[in-house]
Amino acid sequence: EVQLLESGGGLVQPGGSLRVSCTASGFNFRSCVMGWVRQAPGRGLEPVVEISSTGSATYYADALKGRFIISRDNSKNSLYLQMNSLRVEDTAVYFCAKKSESSSWYEPFDKWGQGTLVTVSS
Amino acid sequence: EIVLTQSPGILSLSLGERATLSCRASQRIDSIYLAWYQQRPGQAPRLLIHGASNRATGIPDNFSGSGSGTDFTLTISRLEPEDSAVYYCQQYMYLPGTFGGGTKVEIK
Repeated sequence: EVQLLESGGGLVQPGGSLRVSCTASGFNFRSCVMGWVRQAPGRGLEPVVEISSTGSATYYADALKGRFIISRDNSKNSLYLQMNSLRVEDTAVYFCAKKSESSSWYEPFDKWGQGTLVTVSS
Repeated sequence: EIVLTQSPGILSLSLGERATLSCRASQRIDSIYLAWYQQRPGQAPRLLIHGASNRATGIPDNFSGSGSGTDFTLTISRLEPEDSAVYYCQQYMYLPGTFGGGTKVEIK
């Protein structure tokens, strides 16, 4: 069974940093483009970033470029999002999501984790 | 950036009725790059449709997608209680893929 399990969310002060993780199982992680999508409370889905199957290429949402850094460790079946200079408006559930095992960028997200809540507040 | 506009914002219908949800793009999208997701309360999104009209694995034929160019439609042929959810369209022709604002389907 395909599973994506996010962790690392929590409360952080404005200006602080946080790293969230996603552990994958049940599929060939190293063959999949992965991504992070966030959802502010009561709001819609907002793309954050996508990373290639090898980790060599990324696509960031313009508004988040420079503050957020995505990485992956294919030996650990894990995806990471390092979030710096956090703002109140970054408060959201952060979902990890996978694309198909074709390594193609141009696919939808076919499986999502349950998300981890990041709250930025003083 | 391609902007996806979904309408209506809220759709309130009775069990067994047909639901028609619209997604309009600010510029033309090849239909192979358009997806629909369902998000029930408190849950993660679930892929329903990819390539504008192809049902994802395990999705019942109650759900269908259509459209091309800038106008796309998700149809739920007969509403069931478990269809109460928010539905999002997504384009993945330009990365990172962007989402519409969602349509909430309520069962009367």
